[in-house]
Amino acid sequence: DTGVSQNPRHKITKRGQNVTFRCDPISEHNRLYWYRQTLGQGPEFLTYFQNEAQLEKSRLLSDRFSAERPKGSFSTLEIQRTEQGDSAMYLCASSLSIYGYTFGSGTRLTVV
Amino acid sequence: DQQVKQNSPSLSVQEGRISILNCDYTNSMFDYFLWYKKYPAEGPTFLISISSIKDKNEDGRFTVFLNKSAKHLSLHIVPSQPGDSAVYFCAAMIVGQGAQKLVFGQGTRLTINP
Repeated sequence: DTGVSQNPRHKITKRGQNVTFRCDPISEHNRLYWYRQTLGQGPEFLTYFQNEAQLEKSRLLSDRFSAERPKGSFSTLEIQRTEQGDSAMYLCASSLSIYGYTFGSGTRLTVV
Repeated sequence: DQQVKQNSPSLSVQEGRISILNCDYTNSMFDYFLWYKKYPAEGPTFLISISSIKDKNEDGRFTVFLNKSAKHLSLHIVPSQPGDSAVYFCAAMIVGQGAQKLVFGQGTRLTINP
């Protein structure tokens, strides 16, 4: 287990299409986070799972966004009816404690 | 509402000299602070952290200083090496509150010149 894995690394989609990203955390980590990073900005929190329970969602997460973590293992982030403003790097992180985030390499989404 | 700010988008330093990256925050509830380093096409990598009960934490070439009264923290890298060239993010959290999510600054691009 070499770290947090995210797939795909890059996704180009047409406006209006749905996309889904996957995150495989470090296996023993019970906490999982999704962040979004746009150009020139730092990562911004989207949502948090503890095991399979989604415990917190940011106001940034509109109704078009949904995240799941079935069985407390991998997680998926789906964006429906994509808009150009959704173009960003989507980062997943996992941790065992509040002090030890490990980030994945991210999925770069481009909406054309 | 930018609660964590890094006012210098970029910094250029000569190899072997000291690099000082600065970060300011507005939320006095933040009690744990971290620095992350990010290379292109990779996720942020943890560098060093500090609790609000301390004013300094050191790890090899990296030292973080915290000035709570000024709501300011800084990262010192000495001596700077070419491999230190990256984007550096400071981040803050409130321990024990909800998700303990990180609030990031905008980042500072550090370039180490040979």
